[in-house]
Amino acid sequence: DAGVIQSPRHEVTEMGQEVTLRCKPISGHDYLFWYRQTMMRGLELLIYFNNNVPIDDSGMPEDRFSAKMPNASFSTLKIQPSEPRDSAVYFCASSLALSGRGQFFGPGTRLTVL
Amino acid sequence: GQSLEQPSEVTAVEGAIVQINCTYQTSGFYGLSWYQQHDGGAPTFLSYNGLDGLEETGRFSSFLSRSDSYGYLLLQELQMKDSASYFCAVRGTDKLIFGTGTRLQVFP
Repeated sequence: DAGVIQSPRHEVTEMGQEVTLRCKPISGHDYLFWYRQTMMRGLELLIYFNNNVPIDDSGMPEDRFSAKMPNASFSTLKIQPSEPRDSAVYFCASSLALSGRGQFFGPGTRLTVL
Repeated sequence: GQSLEQPSEVTAVEGAIVQINCTYQTSGFYGLSWYQQHDGGAPTFLSYNGLDGLEETGRFSSFLSRSDSYGYLLLQELQMKDSASYFCAVRGTDKLIFGTGTRLQVFP
């Protein structure tokens, strides 16, 4: 298996622009997670899905953020409009279960908002 | 509230043994995990403890005491490549919560 795939790996955009991050989880994994990592706030869980259904989005910072999972092999995280404080590394992860017995992280998308 | 505490930084020399502690306070508990993250990389899963006791995986071991809400990661025969950040993560009632990470620096 290729592991969790994320695109793009790097994104530089200007404030106010729409940003869409993409993720393909490991086949057969029922859970998909979106995280944001910054030096100041560490690794934060934004939202997670179970069988394509959003279960907990309490970590989504505000209405500018939205996430979808239209099918078992694809998810998007959208920021509209983007702001400089959204600059961070965004990770997608997937797992078989919620127990913590191994979430597999993608390589991340480094987002810079100017 | 829910919280995890781990030291921010630990230093050691090659060949030594180092222990990284993690104490947690969560609503519900379904296991303690450890992840390693090298600079510029993604977190990678190291170990999981669902029950009390020690789990060993090669040079790495992880321990859990549910009564003390405490766990640790033990790294033996340290190598330079072990220099990284290490995160504990606890599965609470409805989500996995990550600690702020411990940066391990291994010196020759």
